[in-house]
Amino acid sequence: ETGVTQTPRHLVMGMTNKKSLKCEQHLGHNAMYWYKQSAKKPLELMFVYNFKEQTENNSVPSRFSPECPNSSHLFLHLHTLQPEDSALYLCASSQEPTGGTDTQYFGPGTRLTVL
Amino acid sequence: KNQVEQSPQSLIILEGKNCTLQCNYTVSPFSNLRWYKQDTGRGPVSLTIMTFSENTKSNGRYTATLDADTKQSSLHITASQLSDSASYICVVSAETGFQKLVFGTGTRLLVSP
Repeated sequence: ETGVTQTPRHLVMGMTNKKSLKCEQHLGHNAMYWYKQSAKKPLELMFVYNFKEQTENNSVPSRFSPECPNSSHLFLHLHTLQPEDSALYLCASSQEPTGGTDTQYFGPGTRLTVL
Repeated sequence: KNQVEQSPQSLIILEGKNCTLQCNYTVSPFSNLRWYKQDTGRGPVSLTIMTFSENTKSNGRYTATLDADTKQSSLHITASQLSDSASYICVVSAETGFQKLVFGTGTRLLVSP
């Protein structure tokens, strides 16, 4: 295990539902990330948090709403999603987000299906 | 535009054989290059990381090379095992104030018995 856990592992939701993805890191890192991984496409960075503060929002639609209550926990709140939002959502953490050779440690992901 | 291209898209080899995966990038300014392994249904796990001054790095049966002049990298897997079946993702970091990672689409490797 990488020290980053995500729940749930699988989620099926309708377009009108509201759900949340949870990520927790046990590595003492200061930076946390949300990525989207769609089939046959590179990982897409969605959000970056450094010391609980959002430092990057990569033009993500407002139907995705992140929350970082502390350096160990990260949430992604979902509402009124579209079928094209179906993907693997990966959480990652690293010691710090500012350059260098710092490695990001990924969680196992949440496989999201929007009906 | 910063891009990372990997080839082949997919590969099937027999157990025990060697293979080489390729990565070409146009990321600038270059900071470092990583290879990640992603098992099906799991998150990526870092295998190697190389900076501009390094041209080879090994991790067990995995050996990565970097040619910063031609902007190419390769990942060589020796004596493949069934557990090597996974996607291998090349990730290049741009040297900016924030660690910008540019991901390739990955090579899907299947090791057949």
